[in-house]
Parts: sequence; structure tokens; C-alpha cells
Amino acid sequence: QKEVEQDPGPLSVPEGAIVSLNCTYSNSAFQYFMWYRQYSRKGPELLMYTYSSGNKEDGRFTAQVDKSSKYISLFIRDSQPSDSATYLCAMCPYNQGGKLIFGQGTELSVKP
Amino acid sequence: NAGVTQTPKFQVLKTGQSMTLQCAQDMNHEYMSWYRQDPGMGLRLIHYSVGAGITDQGEVPNGYNVSRSTTEDFPLRLLSAAPSQTSVYFCASSYSGAGGGYNSPLHFGNGTRLTVT
Repeated sequence: QKEVEQDPGPLSVPEGAIVSLNCTYSNSAFQYFMWYRQYSRKGPELLMYTYSSGNKEDGRFTAQVDKSSKYISLFIRDSQPSDSATYLCAMCPYNQGGKLIFGQGTELSVKP
Repeated sequence: NAGVTQTPKFQVLKTGQSMTLQCAQDMNHEYMSWYRQDPGMGLRLIHYSVGAGITDQGEVPNGYNVSRSTTEDFPLRLLSAAPSQTSVYFCASSYSGAGGGYNSPLHFGNGTRLTVT
């Protein structure tokens, strides 16, 4: 069993939809949780970062962490065609950010 | 401001050939790492370095060597290429390897696409 599981999709939604991306994990030592966005033929870039249970909002993006259920989510409101990309969750234990464990990535397509 | 630069962008090798994937960063980052990305597998850590002269193995190190003689460069060597090493390789760097998050996010290059026939 992988330490981090992420539905690979692909996921296709109409412009303006609310998107929910999810990851589950098995290692209770994970303390830092991140979402990276990867456009085609590019390297991933950090989108959201959190280290506590609950919600963190940044514009149209909300990251949610539930440590008791070992479950994290990324919500995208009012999705735009420019949000079309692969989204990867990533996590690591305390003070080991250099050894991030990534999910498989979910490919999202937002149709105009 | 170049960030993380990887060369070459594309490479085709025959089984048994060797090659070096180059990675350079101009942000004076202490931490550098190599990942491979395969369909359905996500990004997997190959090797990493927390500073010049210091390297360590990640999740999938077999078949790869690294060295870190300078802060800026972190080359990845394939000694005898195998078809199983066909993948997209990403180099990443960060200010430190401690946080991994907003205070020390990983900066990725744009990858080297390697095919081994």
C-alpha cells in the first residue's frame, strides 16, 4: 500500500464549477501538507501549504486537513480554464521537508 | 533569474549506455534533490543533498549515482541505463530541507525526458 493515495482522474469540469481534489495517507507521522500544481511539460510549483488540521484559504483555493481521518483536500472555487493542470498532494514528517512523499497526481481539465 | 536549470530536455539512450543529467540552481539553496515521475506513480525521490559534499539516498536510488561538489550543481549519473529508467526526471532545490513548505518550498526544474530502448 502506498503511503499517499490520490485519485489520478482525469477530472473534467465546466468553467465556474467547484472542484474537490483529495488524498488519503497512512503515516501518522506526517505533519506538513502541501499541494503542488504542475502544468504540462513543466515542473511542479507550490500552491498551498498547511501544517494543522482545519481549513486554509488563499483566494479561490482552500486546503483542508483532517489528521484524525488522515485525509486532505484541495477545493477550487469558480474554476477557470487556466486551472487546467495536474495537482499533486505532498506531505512529510516534522522537519523532514526535503523528503516529501507525493501522491500520484490528479489531472484536471476545466472546459470553457 | 534562472532558478533551477536542467539539461538536456530530452535524451534517448540504448540499454547499457551511461549518461549524466545536469542540474544547476542560482538561488544559493543548500538542499537539492532528484525525483523521477512515472504515470500512476507520482514523484519518487531518488537522491538528495543537504549541502556540498553531503548526499543521501531517497526512495528509489538503485541504478543512480550523485555527487555534490558545489552548492550550485547536483548531477545525476546513470551508470548502465535500463528500460526501467525511462521516465521524466526532475531536479528540485530549496533553502533548507527542514520545512518543505511555504518557508522553504521546493523549486523544480522543467524536467529531463529520458527514454531507454
